[in-house]
Amino acid sequence: QQQVKQSPQSLIVQKGGISIINCAYENTAFDYFPWYQQFPGKGPALLIAIRPDVSEKKEGRFTISFNKSAKQFSLHIMDSQPGDSATYFCAASNQAAGNKLTFGGGTRVLVKP
Amino acid sequence: DVKVTQSSRYLVKRTGEKVFLECVQDMDHENMFWYRQDPGLGLRLIYFSYDVKMKEKGDIPEGYSVSREKKERFSLILESASTNQTSMYLCASSLASGSTDTQYFGPGTRLTVL
Repeated sequence: QQQVKQSPQSLIVQKGGISIINCAYENTAFDYFPWYQQFPGKGPALLIAIRPDVSEKKEGRFTISFNKSAKQFSLHIMDSQPGDSATYFCAASNQAAGNKLTFGGGTRVLVKP
Repeated sequence: DVKVTQSSRYLVKRTGEKVFLECVQDMDHENMFWYRQDPGLGLRLIYFSYDVKMKEKGDIPEGYSVSREKKERFSLILESASTNQTSMYLCASSLASGSTDTQYFGPGTRLTVL
């Protein structure tokens, strides 16, 4: 049973378009929600993260939107570029569990030139 | 730069063999983790360690064991490999035990069990 559900599994977007990946969680104790980006042949790397006390966080072309009441959060990639083609994972953790992360199933994003 | 290295990028083993996957981090991190990555299932935590000689089970520990004799090294052991353990294995480390501490990942070991 996945505690963090991620959709879609894959996504194709044209260069310059917006990529949107959604995640839903069940455990209301989660208090930290990072997104990791993984390129082929590499390990995942932290992209951006949010705490539930804010509804949105933006870093460059990447934005996390967070809806605490719906227990959902999403990653928006604005002006998508071919270099953004990667697999994206949402994750969640809570203070009681220390640094243990629960990951979503991943979304493979392909940006076509 | 944090560097997490894994002993092999690709590994092919036979059913029943004992398999060792090694992970080394060079940043004096307290925590180390082993995950397996399967399509559609994301990353699932196998074992983690918050200190030398200390280990805790993750979500899918069955069929695996770990060893952490030195702070920088965390080994994953498959006592008797089975075909359902064919997967990508990722090691990670983080500085401390706070929920917001970034995990740094190695490049992964793709294990095939025949």
